[in-house]
Amino acid sequence: AQSVTQLGSHVSVSEGALVLLRCNYSSSVPPYLFWYVQYPNQGLQLLLKYTSAATLVKGINGFEAEFKKSETSFHLTKPSAHMSDAAEYFCAVTRMDSSYKLIFGSGTRLLVRP
Amino acid sequence: NAGVMQNPRHLVRRRGQEARLRCSPMKGHSHVYWYRQLPEEGLKFMVYLQKENIIDESGMPKERFSAEFPKEGPSILRIQQVVRGDSAAYFCASSPVSQETQYFGPGTRLLVL
Repeated sequence: AQSVTQLGSHVSVSEGALVLLRCNYSSSVPPYLFWYVQYPNQGLQLLLKYTSAATLVKGINGFEAEFKKSETSFHLTKPSAHMSDAAEYFCAVTRMDSSYKLIFGSGTRLLVRP
Repeated sequence: NAGVMQNPRHLVRRRGQEARLRCSPMKGHSHVYWYRQLPEEGLKFMVYLQKENIIDESGMPKERFSAEFPKEGPSILRIQQVVRGDSAAYFCASSPVSQETQYFGPGTRLLVL
């Protein structure tokens, strides 16, 4: 069975500081991995995805994530936080079977202090 | 190109009533997924449909919930005899083919009084 664990339900950083949101996955087959962002009362927007090509994936808004098979991790980073980055971030995994349903982590709320 | 549309955005129902949630996928997308987000939780998969077919309903509650995606028109998630525990945000996502990225709608927030 697949699962996703996001360490830290809340992360607080100062504006301009490094953002690091952690995601570990469990999958018996090579996974596809995703990071989505959710702003209040809105749907989910795709930040980036890993589909077995390059292990370092660059996404929108300056975010990137690195797939580390040995650590079963897919942590999300951004060198310098902006106030507009404050939102909830979800890591998700899917597998290459017939349904491609997404299995989500419980989310990490990012707070950015001025 | 319009994104995934969901309506209504907010829905209030009393216990025992029926709730119908609609999802219009992006143009050219024939795969629809429904997810439920309970307060302070992540999204949970409910059902995956292609046009006129249910492909995977492993996340659907056994009773009161049903989904369809007819040849013409939007996908419908139907909840009969709603209970307070059904209060949640329901998100629809669509993709052009099954292994492609899923694009999410803005969600329908259901409140059961």
